[in-house]
Amino acid sequence: GAGVSQSPRYKVAKRGQDVALRCDPISGHVSLFWYQQALGQGPEFLTYFQNEAQLDKSGLPSDRFFAERPEGSVSTLKIQRTQQEDSAVYLCASSSKGTGDGYTFGSGTRLTVV
Amino acid sequence: GENVEQHPSTLSVQEGDSAVIKCTYSDSASNYFPWYKQELGKGPQLIIDIRSNVGEKKDQRIAVTLNKTAKHFSLHITETQPEDSAVYFCAASPGTYKYIFGTGTRLKVLA
Repeated sequence: GAGVSQSPRYKVAKRGQDVALRCDPISGHVSLFWYQQALGQGPEFLTYFQNEAQLDKSGLPSDRFFAERPEGSVSTLKIQRTQQEDSAVYLCASSSKGTGDGYTFGSGTRLTVV
Repeated sequence: GENVEQHPSTLSVQEGDSAVIKCTYSDSASNYFPWYKQELGKGPQLIIDIRSNVGEKKDQRIAVTLNKTAKHFSLHITETQPEDSAVYFCAASPGTYKYIFGTGTRLKVLA
């Protein structure tokens, strides 16, 4: 596609619910990244995929966070047993290169946990 | 690990004036420095970037300078326009896939 597409745009979850956030990267982009952006802050790295391989998950805050990219294109970020501190915008980015040069970000999913 | 500080947090300028945003980084291994513009409700958009083997780069009204010795880099916007109003983020990358972002500068261009 023309850009990185994320869905849903907005998600309200009750505390304790599981959520799944979807990212459609630019077609053919090898690298895919997830970032978390708290209100008024810069994005913070969560995880990185090269094709279907998750090469770095060091930024995932806890074992309640899980990401996958089974066929090397679409990726899903899953958060189990959501908590209030999970409220943030979750940004997906992709890049045609193996490194992160020139990421293209999606518009993000705003998650609010109530 | 890398730490990026960004100043100021807010900046108001009159239309037509210049705006300067400054960032410092801590990891001397960082060699790629992108700048992103984020409008309300949208994802960050890459506006310019610079590599550590270059001291300055310009693209129309936007320029970025890098001082490796002092570990700081700056974004310069000349002849500001109302559509330049947004939040701007600097970032540093140690030559890998990971970016470390600053905390952002909210720029307001007053008509």
